[in-house]
Amino acid sequence: KNQVEQSPQSLIILEGKNCTLQCNYTVSPFSNLRWYKQDTGRGPVSLTIMTFSENTKSNGRYTATLDADTKQSSLHITASQLSDSASYICVVRSDSNYQLIWGAGTKLIIKP
Amino acid sequence: EADIYQTPRYLVIGTGKKITLECSQTMGHDKMYWYQQDPGMELHLIHYSYGVNSTEKGDLSSESTVSRIRTEHFPLTLESARPSHTSQYLCASSGVYTEAFFGQGTRLTVV
Repeated sequence: KNQVEQSPQSLIILEGKNCTLQCNYTVSPFSNLRWYKQDTGRGPVSLTIMTFSENTKSNGRYTATLDADTKQSSLHITASQLSDSASYICVVRSDSNYQLIWGAGTKLIIKP
Repeated sequence: EADIYQTPRYLVIGTGKKITLECSQTMGHDKMYWYQQDPGMELHLIHYSYGVNSTEKGDLSSESTVSRIRTEHFPLTLESARPSHTSQYLCASSGVYTEAFFGQGTRLTVV
């Protein structure tokens, strides 16, 4: 069964600190992997999208990595800000039926 | 800024009422999706469409129905709302090789 698992489920860090969120998936065949940021009560907003051949992609203070061999991805946030408090969701697109398989998300809280 | 819009943003209605949640996008995307999300929980796909006159049910069973008569428009209808339908409904669209863009969502409360 195609699955996307994220860890940790929730994370609290102090403003200015770095953090790394993990995503493991079993989706095969794999088309691409996306990271979304979702503020409470809002729709998700795309941060990065990576295909099979890409190992890393940055978007400002967000850097995503992908290891297609081990089926793992991470999202690293540098110098966290209060506005980074949100849920971060890993989504994998299947290449067989083009469905998006969603992870449950990591709830990140940045404290001053 | 993504050009996908959902209305209304918030809706409180009584049990048994018929409602339609609107979703429109101006990006010319063929694929559109409806997700249901309870607070603090993951998104669940309830309907999707790969183009005009194409609609499919998603992973989560839903009593709602959808239609896709125009590329830009993908409304979701509940014929008879119940309290169990209380949730947030998110509409999204995507192109062939683009990520999905989401609307702001409709928070539905059925009393």
